[in-house]
Amino acid sequence: DVKVTQSSRYLVKRTGEKVFLECVQDMDHENMFWYRQDPGLGLRLIYFSYDVKMKEKGDIPEGYSVSREKKERFSLILESASTNQTSMYLCASRMGGPEEKLFFGSGTQLSVL
Amino acid sequence: DQQVKQNSPSLSVQEGRISILNCDYTNSMFDYFLWYKKYPAEGPTFLISISSIKDKNEDGRFTVFLNKSAKHLSLHIVPSQPGDSAVYFCAATFNNAGNMLTFGGGTRLMVKP
Repeated sequence: DVKVTQSSRYLVKRTGEKVFLECVQDMDHENMFWYRQDPGLGLRLIYFSYDVKMKEKGDIPEGYSVSREKKERFSLILESASTNQTSMYLCASRMGGPEEKLFFGSGTQLSVL
Repeated sequence: DQQVKQNSPSLSVQEGRISILNCDYTNSMFDYFLWYKKYPAEGPTFLISISSIKDKNEDGRFTVFLNKSAKHLSLHIVPSQPGDSAVYFCAATFNNAGNMLTFGGGTRLMVKP
């Protein structure tokens, strides 16, 4: 069965810390995504990657960076965490074009104190 | 400004009745629409989709209707079951959007036994 695995279910960090969120998919998908989910705002795209070492900004990239060194792994980096980055972070992957469905991980609830 | 809106944050229905979840969009370029369902502590999962060349798509108890002139789509669940209780997100994209899916804010459906 298809699987997208996020390394942590819950994380608590302090303001100013560097934070790494890791995501691994086992489906050989080309495309990987990072979203954040906030109440009333739905899912907003932070960054996506369509190939190894390739990345594109989504709707809200400010304060984040990403890394994709291997096809199966996509990392989200908060260089200096701030309280407004407290959120649920969801990783997703899919094949090919926009009509291919997204497969999501279970999410990481990040709290920045 | 949100291009995809779900104006009802929550909906409560009785088991066996119809659930109707609504979604409005503003970008006339959107030509493909999807619904995702999310249970607590899990990532969203794909439910059903519809292309703009159709006005209806059915999959078992789930039917999505698209009204392009009104820029409105709806998800009908008949009959509703307690296991359908979840948050439902609608999403939209268009052919030249690359990998960008725009999500609505979500509607929490509660189906009472």
